[in-house]
Amino acid sequence: RKEVEQDPGPFNVPEGATVAFNCTYSNSASQSFFWYRQDCRKEPKLLMSVYSSGNEDGRFTAQLNRASQYISLLIRDSKLSDSATYLCVVLSGGYNKLIFGAGTRLAVHP
Amino acid sequence: DTGVSQNPRHKITKRGQNVTFRCDPISEHNRLYWYRQTLGQGPEFLTYFQNEAQLEKSRLLSDRFSAERPKGSFSTLEIQRTEQGDSAMYLCASSLMEMNTEAFFGQGTRLTVV
Repeated sequence: RKEVEQDPGPFNVPEGATVAFNCTYSNSASQSFFWYRQDCRKEPKLLMSVYSSGNEDGRFTAQLNRASQYISLLIRDSKLSDSATYLCVVLSGGYNKLIFGAGTRLAVHP
Repeated sequence: DTGVSQNPRHKITKRGQNVTFRCDPISEHNRLYWYRQTLGQGPEFLTYFQNEAQLEKSRLLSDRFSAERPKGSFSTLEIQRTEQGDSAMYLCASSLMEMNTEAFFGQGTRLTVV
């Protein structure tokens, strides 16, 4: 079983839609959680950190459920520019290394 | 530019040759990661340094791969006797040691083994 698992998608949604991605992680001792965004042929960039209390940044909301070991990302009012791959990232392991999921592809169409 | 820098950006090599990539992290960052990414997959962890100490190396990594960070600043990743399966994007990232801090990525080195 992979340490971090995501639905690869693709999610094809119209502009203005609300879309949600989930991610599960296997190591219950994991400390920190993030969502990264990766555009085609570009490097990953931090979208937002995920806190236990949940956090919101404009149209983006991240949630953490430690009991069920999953993380979610909600995107409201999708824009064409949101089209990208969203990577779930967990700080895990004895030396706290960053482990990435395979990513979920989002395609927003007019 | 004070971001993470990787060189070269592209490398084409013949099977069996050795290649070396360089990563210059953000100057105050003490953590440095190497990842490999193939099409449609997320970055796969290869190895990780804290200052000059290599803390962990992926079990997926064969003995043909070696990485160094001799003075706790830049790092090199060497692949010996390259194989076609080594073709991928090699990404370097750096961060501070504290929890919840962002890791910044370089633009990667795209390796093609022919």
